[in-house]
Amino acid sequence: KAGVTQTPRYLIKTRGQQVTLSCSPISGHRSVSWYQQTPGQGLQFLFEYFSETQRNKGNFPGRFSGRQFSNSRSEMNVSTLELGDSALYLCASSYQVDQETQYFGPGTRLLVL
Amino acid sequence: KQEVTQIPAALSVPEGENLVLNCSFTDSAIYNLQWFRQDPGKGLTSLLLIQSSQREQTSGRLNASLDKSSGRSTLYIAASQPGDSATYLCALTGGSARQLTFGSGTQLTVLP
Repeated sequence: KAGVTQTPRYLIKTRGQQVTLSCSPISGHRSVSWYQQTPGQGLQFLFEYFSETQRNKGNFPGRFSGRQFSNSRSEMNVSTLELGDSALYLCASSYQVDQETQYFGPGTRLLVL
Repeated sequence: KQEVTQIPAALSVPEGENLVLNCSFTDSAIYNLQWFRQDPGKGLTSLLLIQSSQREQTSGRLNASLDKSSGRSTLYIAASQPGDSATYLCALTGGSARQLTFGSGTQLTVLP
């Protein structure tokens, strides 16, 4: 089985722009979660989708949004980028939401200048 | 709010040594605990998952234990190798939160 894939792998944007990141889960997995990793804050949960519905949301401003499509692929969008949004964005998939191993993709590294 | 702590932040050992990484958490109402490794600039690789009803899990040279009553988990690595060098993260789901709450990780260096 192919693993979790994320595109693009690297992005450079300037402040004020918006960005869309994509995540394709492992085939058959219906739950996709997004995390932000920074040196200062570590790994922080952004949101989780299951069967196209947002099940849970972390403590991030409304500039961060996401969605999930019927094929379980997910996108996250960050609008009005700030320097502090520079981070590694990781997505993880699992078959269900509880009691399951979560499998992570390689991440998208976003640099905001 | 669940807090996860990993001590030490960094650890350096000679090749062949057995070692233990520690993870502590403040809320014992957890669903499961997962150990990951992360190589520099890369994503997370799942190593072991321990369900809340289990006490330990083993995979090859790795053994993870869980003691909910004391709020602790350990990852034991036997006969360490330079290829084990990475950052090891523990993460758990618990209570009303379905998301993973991560510790800050232990950066392990195994010297040849």
